[in-house]
Amino acid sequence: GAVVSQHPSRVICKSGTSVKIECRSLDFQATTMFWYRQFPKQSLMLMATSNEGSKATYEQGVEKDKFLINHASLTLSTLTVTSAHPEDSSFYICSASLAGQETQYFGPGTRLLVL
Amino acid sequence: GQNIDQPTEMTATEGAIVQINCTYQTSGFNGLFWYQQHAGEAPTFLSYNVLDGLEEKGRFSSFLSRSKGYSYLLLKELQMKDSASYLCAGVTNDYKLSFGAGTTVTVRA
Repeated sequence: GAVVSQHPSRVICKSGTSVKIECRSLDFQATTMFWYRQFPKQSLMLMATSNEGSKATYEQGVEKDKFLINHASLTLSTLTVTSAHPEDSSFYICSASLAGQETQYFGPGTRLLVL
Repeated sequence: GQNIDQPTEMTATEGAIVQINCTYQTSGFNGLFWYQQHAGEAPTFLSYNVLDGLEEKGRFSSFLSRSKGYSYLLLKELQMKDSASYLCAGVTNDYKLSFGAGTTVTVRA
């Protein structure tokens, strides 16, 4: 149980375009999903917390207009990187947790390369 | 705050034991997680300590001392497949994780 999927696993796009990444909890309902970014040889940095049916909460320094998060259902959250630039190239990982539980289950990650 | 400190790298021999230490500031945390991450993959859950003491789970054990702001992950009977990054993460009461930079463990034959 507690499987989280992400799509796509890898994406290459041109600078200035937008990219949407999906995060799904496959066998449980996730009231909360988290989005992280990881640069090479660095740890995961929390970008935002996504709660179903409400606006996402962004960490300090993360632009909410650039990283649009939608958590439309208990099994799906999406992250859209708008007007992507080469410095947005990174490994984006989502996680999901059950209501009231602290353990987060991670998706397989999406590697974004912006040319 | 929750500054998490752990060593950058460790090397050990197949079959040996390795202990990865993690220290953190004690304010505002509920528990401590350990995750394993292979290169290019997402982290996988290893353990979660809320109470002080040692929790054993097969070849992996995790220890927590809340008063000292200290945890360790113990890997026994090391196998080549254990070569990975091990992430220590504290969780606050709003369920957010703060990760350390990770310890890269290299297992040699």
